[in-house]
Amino acid sequence: SAVISQKPSRDICQRGTSLTIQCQVDSQVTMMFWYRQQPGQSLTLIATANQGSEATYESGFVIDKFPISRPNLTFSTLTVSNMSPEDSSIYLCSVELEVNQPQHFGDGTRLSIL
Amino acid sequence: DAKTTQPTSMDCAEGRAANLPCNHSTISGNEYVYWYRQIHSQGPQYIIHGLKNNETNEMASLIITEDRKSSTLILPHATLRDTAVYYCIVRVTGTYKYIFGTGTRLKVLA
Repeated sequence: SAVISQKPSRDICQRGTSLTIQCQVDSQVTMMFWYRQQPGQSLTLIATANQGSEATYESGFVIDKFPISRPNLTFSTLTVSNMSPEDSSIYLCSVELEVNQPQHFGDGTRLSIL
Repeated sequence: DAKTTQPTSMDCAEGRAANLPCNHSTISGNEYVYWYRQIHSQGPQYIIHGLKNNETNEMASLIITEDRKSSTLILPHATLRDTAVYYCIVRVTGTYKYIFGTGTRLKVLA
């Protein structure tokens, strides 16, 4: 398995600001994923972030709103830009160590926008 | 859309086996079934996965039907700490992507 650390664990932000969430893994991984979990809902995939290539976004998510960096095989960031109250959610990263092996998730960043 | 369907909620008495069903009738021949659970304010925790054969680990057993169109997660002796939302997941065909359904909210009762 992998140990995944997310920072910050929670934050309260003002409308119109941006926040960058960090995801650090204790081993090198090719596949990293970012999810959003809105209050009381299931997880929704935002994008797939592979090292050395641009992130691939799912329908309904765009790079201008959720820019992602993947500078190396152990680290990624997700920025939530120009935040509004509708962006209040838990944001989670996950990694896959090998093909067909299960993904492992961080504990998420709980974000509230006032 | 999620490739799995699960009951919205279930109750189980403490100490009894919890049997959580999942339908995945459109599963392809080389797709695995993955089970996770999410306890409040934590990220999803991996439980078990399988392809065709039944699987068992220290947390649970996974029973997959012969036609692979459904599976059951078994927690043999449920405890109060097993209260969580349980997700059954099949990847989007040909990708690494998980599509989460609504899951089953399991409540273990004392």
